[in-house]
Amino acid sequence: EVQLLESGGGLLQPGGSLRLSCAASGFTFNIYAMTWVRQAPGRGLEWVSVISGSAGKTNYADSVKGRFTISRDDSKNTVYLQMNNLKAEDTAVYYCARDQYFYSHWGQGTLVTVSS
Amino acid sequence: DIQMTQSPSTLSASVGDRVTITCRASQSISSWLAWYQQKPGKAPKLLIYQASILESGVPSRFSGSGSGTEFTLTITSLQPDDSATYSCQQYSSYSLTFGGGTKVEIK
Repeated sequence: EVQLLESGGGLLQPGGSLRLSCAASGFTFNIYAMTWVRQAPGRGLEWVSVISGSAGKTNYADSVKGRFTISRDDSKNTVYLQMNNLKAEDTAVYYCARDQYFYSHWGQGTLVTVSS
Repeated sequence: DIQMTQSPSTLSASVGDRVTITCRASQSISSWLAWYQQKPGKAPKLLIYQASILESGVPSRFSGSGSGTEFTLTITSLQPDDSATYSCQQYSSYSLTFGGGTKVEIK
């Protein structure tokens, strides 16, 4: 059974940094692209970033480019999202999802709140 | 970025009704479209991909159609468990985008 478990969310002030983790199990992790999607309170879903399998090619939404970095550790079956210079508009539930284009497997989400 | 516009934003229907949700893309995305169902506090659930292919395990009352810029999600006989928000998502461009969602309520 595919499982994705996010962690690392929390409350922090504008300008702060946070690293989210997503631990995967139940599939051959290194051959799959992994994606982060977020959802602000009461709002729709927003694609954030993707990292390809093994080769590690990355892509970002314009709203986070230059501030967020996605990475993966295939030895730990884990994908990360390093978030720097956080803004109030980054407040959201952050989900990791398996695959690059559409997502049949999602984590439960982790809440990031940016507020002074 | 490709903009995805859903309509309506909310709809209320009775059990057994046929429900249709529309998703329009700001430019052609061929058939590179997925639909998700999301219930409060839960992660989205994939219903349909490539515009019309039903994900394994999804009830056959759900169907998708369309290509280019206009797409529809149809629920042929609405059930109480279908109360949720439905979102479309394009994966034609390198920067993926979602629609704003349609909340389906049961009368």
